[in-house]
Amino acid sequence: GAVVSQHPSRVICKSGTSVKIECRSLDFQATTMFWYRQFPKKSLMLMATSNEGSKATYEQGVEKDKFLINHASLTLSTLTVTSAHPEDSSFYICSASEMGLAGGLYTDTQYFGPGTRLTVL
Amino acid sequence: LAKTTQPISMDSYEGQEVNITCSHNNIATNDYITWYQQFPSQGPRFIIQGYKTKVTNEVASLFIPADRKSSTLSLPRVSLSDTAVYYCLVGREGNTPLVFGKGTRLSVIA
Repeated sequence: GAVVSQHPSRVICKSGTSVKIECRSLDFQATTMFWYRQFPKKSLMLMATSNEGSKATYEQGVEKDKFLINHASLTLSTLTVTSAHPEDSSFYICSASEMGLAGGLYTDTQYFGPGTRLTVL
Repeated sequence: LAKTTQPISMDSYEGQEVNITCSHNNIATNDYITWYQQFPSQGPRFIIQGYKTKVTNEVASLFIPADRKSSTLSLPRVSLSDTAVYYCLVGREGNTPLVFGKGTRLSVIA
């Protein structure tokens, strides 16, 4: 299957600083990437849809000025958590879609990165 | 996209076959079904995807009845390392985002 990487895998920062997380599709091009966050023992929550060359689409309740998303190329999307606070501490996961076929139907299979553990002190 | 419903948890002994069923009553004609596996502190890992009937790969089988209102992930001869959360998701062509439900927490016991 396709490979998606994230960097860094974990980051600890002080309250008020900004943190950038990179998401790369290594062996395919992805016009669309997605960003999720996950709290302990909870399911993944979609934060935003990142489209190459255009503005991201944010889910309701996600502050676009706090979570800046840039998708400058077909293999790279970045999420910047600005002025981070302890409540932003979470596991952030990105995914990228690769088109395929299933039962004669075109599908968009999402492949996920390994995640980034953000801890804000 | 169709909402999915799965059992919250399942237990199994090593070596047994495990079947996890997912309900998606409102699945649309062009929707497909994908299953993911997630270990703690890791991103979800793609297991299998299908549209109808049966799909098999090296790790699992996916059974989808004719009405497509449910699907069953079958894991043959599970081992301790298969202990994880399994998510069933319904997707649609066009880079639509996936909506995760609570998933099924599978615990494999020696």
